[in-house]
Amino acid sequence: QVQLQESGPGLVKPSETLALNCDVSEYSISNGYHWGWLRQSPGKGLEWIGSVFYDGTTSYMPSLERRISIFVDTSKNQFSLELRSVTAADTATYFCARHVLIRGRSYFDYWGRGNLVSVSS
Amino acid sequence: QSLLTQPPSVSAAPGQKVTISCSGSSSNIGNNFVSWYQYVPGGAPRLLIYDNNKRPSGIPDRFSGSKSGTSATLVITGVQAGDEADYYCGTGDSGFRIAEFGGGTKLTVL
Repeated sequence: QVQLQESGPGLVKPSETLALNCDVSEYSISNGYHWGWLRQSPGKGLEWIGSVFYDGTTSYMPSLERRISIFVDTSKNQFSLELRSVTAADTATYFCARHVLIRGRSYFDYWGRGNLVSVSS
Repeated sequence: QSLLTQPPSVSAAPGQKVTISCSGSSSNIGNNFVSWYQYVPGGAPRLLIYDNNKRPSGIPDRFSGSKSGTSATLVITGVQAGDEADYYCGTGDSGFRIAEFGGGTKLTVL
């Protein structure tokens, strides 16, 4: 059973960079698949942020593209999210998940439990 | 604003059937498979349905999905108290690179 675990700070100041890691176990990232980040803001629905392929190829949510970077470290079996210039609107629970992304198919089959990040001074 | 439209809430008594709809367009559902997720706040979202109507291992057959044109439906039969959660539909976009979700539907078990 593939397992994912998010880690990172629970509080980030406005205008700073939010950085989260996702450790993957029971599956080697190098074997394939995309790996994604999603979030749920208070009172709002799930929102996909972006995904990275095991080779480092990325796809991002268009409205966040200028502020985010997602990268993979196969040696650590880990992938990471950086979200720059955060505001209160970025306060959310952030999830990492394995992303099945093949032509015509896009779904997330294994998820972490989430990391609540608050943006506040 | 989600590109996939779901009803904000539905309710059902234990044992009843509930239907949750997900409406999109030719740019998303019309040209992609649909998935469904169950989310109880504080936990991890769970994949219920993928490829429109397939269930991952361990998902009861009380959960079923279908798609027609630019809309999809999740049906839960024999609703149980433990089914109380938020339900999301998901799909891809016309470029096959972006994931999209509906706004979510809160199921209340009466």
